[in-house]
Parts: sequence; structure tokens; C-alpha cells
Amino acid sequence: KQEVTQIPAALSVPEGENLVLNCSFTDSAIYNLQWFRQDPGKGLTSLLLIQSSQREQTSGRLNASLDKSSGRSTLYIAASQPGDSATYLCATVAPGSQGNLIFGKGTKLSVKP
Amino acid sequence: SQTIHQWPATLVQPVGSPLSLECTVEGTSNPNLYWYRQAAGRGLQLLFYSVGIGQISSEVPQNLSASRPQDRQFILSSKKLLLSDSGFYLCAWKRRGTGFYGDTQYFGPGTRLTVL
Repeated sequence: KQEVTQIPAALSVPEGENLVLNCSFTDSAIYNLQWFRQDPGKGLTSLLLIQSSQREQTSGRLNASLDKSSGRSTLYIAASQPGDSATYLCATVAPGSQGNLIFGKGTKLSVKP
Repeated sequence: SQTIHQWPATLVQPVGSPLSLECTVEGTSNPNLYWYRQAAGRGLQLLFYSVGIGQISSEVPQNLSASRPQDRQFILSSKKLLLSDSGFYLCAWKRRGTGFYGDTQYFGPGTRLTVL
């Protein structure tokens, strides 16, 4: 059974710092690895999706990498801003499912001005 | 463009009362639909998914049920709420037929349920 873990559970950084969020998964047989952002009391917004055949994806100041063999993904945020403060969730699609996502518990990021 | 709606936004219900949460999607046809629950300290948990009208699959045994009476409508229900049903309920949709490698799920704004 696939398990997704995110470390750390919470992270506080000063504005302008570059940071890395970590995600690990137990079963390397994944279709993709996805990163979402969740603001307090809100739904999820998709940030990046890395297909199993890809190594990384970039969107603006965000870069996500995928290493299937080691069961790890990282989300790199460059030049962090207070508006980046949110909970970041990673998820994988379970093989044999109907696209069902398995989520980590998230990393709560706080960027201090 | 596609839009997903959930209502109500917040709900406070006594233990033992019934529940009905509604989710509707606009701007797409034949979507896969999903219900998730986010409880404190437990992360997002898939409750139900549907690949078509009247087709419901349950991921976690519980006192909740789901129905899909129309193509773009997904309802989460309970006959008698428990304290443990409190949480943030999210509905999501995914395009059907696009495979599972490159397409993501799109989430609604959520319903905050508090059972007292």
C-alpha cells in the first residue's frame, strides 16, 4: 500500500530565502507525483505535476523534481515571499485506481516579512 | 472554463442528525468525481469516487454514503452523524479518458463540518 510522507510538518523562513520541501513515497510504481497548495480554510490548487517518465517540472519560482528509484520528490521555492505562506501537499496516483490520489499530510510553510 | 461548487461552505450539526453535502461541476462532461475528508492531523483521505452516474466506489468503510444522481452532481450523505465525522470535506473532479499520467484533479472550495 502506497504511503506518502512529508517532512518537515512545518517550516518558517525569512522572506527572500530559497527553500526545499520534501516528499517521499514507498512504492515507486506511480503514474505521477503532484504538488498542491492549500491556503487556510480553502480547497487545493494544483502547482506542478511530474509524470513518472519525467525528472522535473518548473513553474515560475517553483521547481519540482522526481526520483522514482529513491521514492523522493522535492519542491524548490526560490526567493520566497510572504504570499507563499500556505500548506504544501504532495500526492501520487495509485496504480490500478481511477486516478485516486494518495496524499502526504503536508508541510505548513510560513514566510516572515 | 470549468468550475466546481460545493455547498454549504460551513455546517454545524448535532450528533445523530442527517447530513447532505452537494458538489456540482460546470463546463465539462463525464468527469470522474471524488469526495475527500481532511481531518486534523490525519491528512486528506479519499472517501468515495465515481466514474459515472450511479457508479460509486467506497474507499473507507464508515457511516457516510455518496450518490451521483446526475453526470455533474455528487452528493455526500449520512443518516446519523458521529463526532468523528467532523472535518473539512473536499470534492474534486478529473477529466475522464485522459489517462492517469498527465492530468490532475481539480478541487472545490470545501465544506467545513463540525459535529457537536
